[in-house]
Amino acid sequence: GAVVSQHPSWVICKSGTSVKIECRSLDFQATTMFWYRQFPKQSLMLMATSNEGSKATYEQGVEKDKFLINHASLTLSTLTVTSAHPEDSSFYICSASQGGLSYTFGSGTRLTVV
Amino acid sequence: GENVGLHLPTLSVQEGDNSIINCAYSNSASDYFIWYKQESGKGPQFIIDIRSNMDKRQGQRVTVLLNKTVKHLSLQIAATQPGDSAVYFCAEEMRSQGNLIFGKGTKLSVKP
Repeated sequence: GAVVSQHPSWVICKSGTSVKIECRSLDFQATTMFWYRQFPKQSLMLMATSNEGSKATYEQGVEKDKFLINHASLTLSTLTVTSAHPEDSSFYICSASQGGLSYTFGSGTRLTVV
Repeated sequence: GENVGLHLPTLSVQEGDNSIINCAYSNSASDYFIWYKQESGKGPQFIIDIRSNMDKRQGQRVTVLLNKTVKHLSLQIAATQPGDSAVYFCAEEMRSQGNLIFGKGTKLSVKP
C-alpha cells in the first residue's frame, strides 16, 4: 500500500531557530500534500495544502512566512518552521494524495521549542 | 471549522462489547467521509470510508453509518478489543476543495 515517510519523528530546538520537517511519498507520486498541526488532546487542524510546483494554499490564521512549505517534487514536501517559539511546539503531520479518494498520512513530528 | 475545548470526549467499553462512536460534521456539501484511528504519538490510520451516495458501509468488525439529513456519522466497532483503544476521528471532504477536515475526536478506552 501507499506509504508516507515523515522525518524527523521528533525534534527539540531553541527559540528563534528554524526547523525543517520532511514528508516523502515512498511508492507513489503525490500530486497534493497537506500539512496538519495537532495540539495535545485536540484534533488535527489543516495548516496548508500544496500542489507540486506551485505555491501552497494556507488556511486562515496560518502565517505563510512562518510556516514555509516547499513541494518541489512529486514525492517530497517540506515544512520549515521559522524563528520557532515555544507556542509552536506541537505535533505536525503530513498527508499525501494521488488525487481521487486517497489520503496517506505520515507518522508525525513532535516539535518541542525550548 | 475550528477545534474548541481541551478535552476529548471519552467512551469506555468492556472488552467484547460493541462500541459506537459518533461524529457531527460541519459542511452539508461534503461528499466523502473517512474514519481514522490515532494511537498516541502516531499519525492517523485509515479505518473505513463512505461516500455521500451511501448511508451504510461495512468492513471487518467496523460499520460506518451516514445520516446526511442531520449531518451525522457513526462508527460501530463489533467485539471491541484492547487494541482498539485509541482516539477516533471522523474527517470530511468536499470534492471541489480536495482536502480533509477533521472532527473533534473521541477517545475509546477498552477495559479488559
